[in-house]
Amino acid sequence: GAVVSQHPSWVICKSGTSVKIECRSLDFQATTMFWYRQFPKQSLMLMATSNEGSKATYEQGVEKDKFLINHASLTLSTLTVTSAHPEDSSFYICSAREGRLFSNQPQHFGDGTRLSIL
Amino acid sequence: AQSVTQLGSHVSVSEGALVLLRCNYSSSVPPYLFWYVQYPNQGLQLLLKYTTGATLVKGINGFEAEFKKSETSFHLTKPSAHMSDAAEYFCAVSFSYNQGGKLIFGQGTELSVKP
Repeated sequence: GAVVSQHPSWVICKSGTSVKIECRSLDFQATTMFWYRQFPKQSLMLMATSNEGSKATYEQGVEKDKFLINHASLTLSTLTVTSAHPEDSSFYICSAREGRLFSNQPQHFGDGTRLSIL
Repeated sequence: AQSVTQLGSHVSVSEGALVLLRCNYSSSVPPYLFWYVQYPNQGLQLLLKYTTGATLVKGINGFEAEFKKSETSFHLTKPSAHMSDAAEYFCAVSFSYNQGGKLIFGQGTELSVKP
């Protein structure tokens, strides 16, 4: 149980393109979803937290107009990297959690999306 | 401020040897504690968690961890390493009162297993 599907797993595109990444909870309802960015050999950096039906909460330093997050249903959240540039190249990982805010339920992670901007 | 420290960015053990990955946290209140494993080019998989109750927690793949409040530690162990255990391991904490329960991660420890 607790499977999170992330798609696509790999994207290569030209600078200036917008890229959408999907995160789906397959067998549970995800009240809260999280988006992370991970640089090589480093830990995960939280970008934003989204709760179904409300606006995402972005971490300090993350441009919300650059990284658009939508959590329209209890099983789907999307991250759109708008007008991507080479510096946006990274490994993006989503996670999903059951339960209400402040839950002690663990986060379940997708397999990540490798984004390469040429 | 809350933080998580994993001692040793890289640990190398021989196959069949004990695995010990260290994790200490800094917090004035007991957190929820998690260990995750990450294989190359993949997301994170939950190994085990501690929320309340018994302080010795057993997880998947033969791993276990013990919450020691007095030492603010949550070290991960496995009696006998397998080659398939080679991966990156992350310790993480969250708090019931804090910011939607988001995870605070340690820096990660890369485990290598020698044949």
